[in-house]
Amino acid sequence: GAGVSQSPRYKVTKRGQDVTLRCDPISSHATLYWYQQALGQGPEFLTYFNYEAQPDKSGLPSDRFSAERPEGSISTLTIQRTEQRDSAMYRCASSLNGWGYNEQFFGPGTRLTVL
Amino acid sequence: GQQVMQIPQYQHVQEGEDFTTYCNSSTTLSNIQWYKQRPGGHPVFLIQLVKSGEVKKQKRLTFQFGEAKKNSSLHITATQTTDVGTYFCAGGRGAGSYQLTFGKGTKLSVIP
Repeated sequence: GAGVSQSPRYKVTKRGQDVTLRCDPISSHATLYWYQQALGQGPEFLTYFNYEAQPDKSGLPSDRFSAERPEGSISTLTIQRTEQRDSAMYRCASSLNGWGYNEQFFGPGTRLTVL
Repeated sequence: GQQVMQIPQYQHVQEGEDFTTYCNSSTTLSNIQWYKQRPGGHPVFLIQLVKSGEVKKQKRLTFQFGEAKKNSSLHITATQTTDVGTYFCAGGRGAGSYQLTFGKGTKLSVIP
């Protein structure tokens, strides 16, 4: 695609529900990142993929958070048993590859609100 | 873990004035990237610095990477209303790590 797309753009859910966020990266990009961005803060790294491999999950806040990229293209981020503190903008970014410190292209984000 | 501090948090300038934001890391960085996020938008890549002491210019923007690769700055000459937004620095740890650690950003307002 022309850019990174994310869906839904907005998600309101009740505490305790599960949510799944989707990211569609730039088609030629091998590396995909997930970030959490609180209001007035910078993006905070959650996890990344090289194709379908997920070498680093260190930024995931708890085991309620998981991500997949089964075919090396589209990725999903799932938050189980959501809590109010999970409310944030979730951003996906992709880069050509992770080597050589490539620029990251960000999607528009999914604004998650947990009531 | 690695921390990237950015100052100031906010900056209000009159159009035509200069603006500088500073970024400091608690650890040596392999590279630093700068992003701009317009209000309501997403971060957009501006530049990447890799070498110690590197200076790069993009029109009115000047980016520097410190000799020790622990600090960086972004300077905008003669600000314009189109410069409004939040500027983030993001440090890379290198050594096979793909993580970028973002600063909290400097929000720039330009008064016409």
